Amino acid sequence: DAGITQSPRYKITETGRQVTLMCHQTWSHSYMFWYRQDLGHGLRLIYYSAAADITDKGEVPDGYVVSRSKTENFPLTLESATRSQTSVYFCASSLQGTGNTIYFGEGSWLTVV
Amino acid sequence: DQQVKQNSPSLSVQEGRISILNCDYTNSMFDYFLWYKKYPAEGPTFLISISSIKDKNEDGRFTVFLNKSAKHLSLHIVPSQPGDSAVYFCAASATGNQFYFGTGTSLTVIP
Repeated sequence: DAGITQSPRYKITETGRQVTLMCHQTWSHSYMFWYRQDLGHGLRLIYYSAAADITDKGEVPDGYVVSRSKTENFPLTLESATRSQTSVYFCASSLQGTGNTIYFGEGSWLTVV
Repeated sequence: DQQVKQNSPSLSVQEGRISILNCDYTNSMFDYFLWYKKYPAEGPTFLISISSIKDKNEDGRFTVFLNKSAKHLSLHIVPSQPGDSAVYFCAASATGNQFYFGTGTSLTVIP
């Protein structure tokens, strides 16, 4: 059972470059999420998706773009990376509706220099 | 504005004793609450949850208590073990499509 896989796990990029973090889930969960984890802020929601072709902003969406053409994939793109986007990024998924648990991938460590 | 708060960044407990981690929330619409455990360099893993229709849920050594009037939940770990040393996040959801997380509490269980 692969669950949720993220790639790359570790990435160093330069300011201004475009970076895409990939996320793939095998559970056929309706909902998918992208969070970033920063010291003192915990986990903050960037974007989420309720189904294929449906996405919505979370708490900190600026500078990020998402797409969801297939249920199982939810890539996150930093169009022009900035140093403030250095963070650990977690993809997650859950079944539809309240009362369901959210499951996380192992994270992608991104450093913008 | 932080809707879910964990005011204790860290906690140290002796092995075998009880660990109590606390979490406060501000949104009265939250109806589902979860606790996650996170080891370094890994993703958060689900630990235990509770619906707003309950005030207690147990799973082995882990018990979550919910006090809706105080907008407070707590996680009790009894007995604490060294392997429980990790960062614990509480989370809350109102509609199931957004989960709000606290800033985490780092638990150290001393052998």
